[in-house]
Amino acid sequence: GENVEQHPSTLSVQEGDSAVIKCTYSDSASNYFPWYKQELGKGPQLIIDIRSNVGEKKDQRIAVTLNKTAKHFSLHITETQPEDSAVYFCAASGGTYKYIFGTGTRLKVLA
Amino acid sequence: NAGVMQNPRHLVRRRGQEARLRCSPMKGHSHVYWYRQLPEEGLKFMVYLQKENIIDESGMPKERFSAEFPKEGPSILRIQQVVRGDSAAYFCASSTSGLGVDEQYFGPGTRLTVT
Repeated sequence: GENVEQHPSTLSVQEGDSAVIKCTYSDSASNYFPWYKQELGKGPQLIIDIRSNVGEKKDQRIAVTLNKTAKHFSLHITETQPEDSAVYFCAASGGTYKYIFGTGTRLKVLA
Repeated sequence: NAGVMQNPRHLVRRRGQEARLRCSPMKGHSHVYWYRQLPEEGLKFMVYLQKENIIDESGMPKERFSAEFPKEGPSILRIQQVVRGDSAAYFCASSTSGLGVDEQYFGPGTRLTVT
């Protein structure tokens, strides 16, 4: 069945450094890739998304890249801040309501 | 806009009891999705509902679990005769359409603990 693998499971970076989280999907029909940030005790919040007709999208310190051939997509956070510490989830969808989520990356930004 | 609301936020049940989880979608949203999150895992799709209709329940266990979204009132996920393995966080999301082109907004979740 459809599967999304996410790496790493945990990531610690110094404040101001960059963080990169990578996901691989299995369903070649996937065409929508959202990224969610989940803070402790809260629900996931969409932070950025990308559709298959573009290769990169940026929003201030956050960027997402997509390689459809390799079925990879990545989240890049630059100039990390302590408030970026959270669990990040990638997801893939074939243009329907059914999102397949990765297993999450716990990001810790060290002050 | 109040966002997606879920209650209760925490629920403790003994084995064999019933758990009832409620979700009120964002204003203007008529599509509701339930997901389950086990510790240290991603969210897994359970069921997709529109008002008075279950559209897709392929991710929901066939026994003991049921969901509804009545014409009036919140969506409800019901788990009968709970077992320890049901302990998880249950998230509800809503969207304006079910076409996959609209963002799914998530609620804060209900954390169910079965003792």
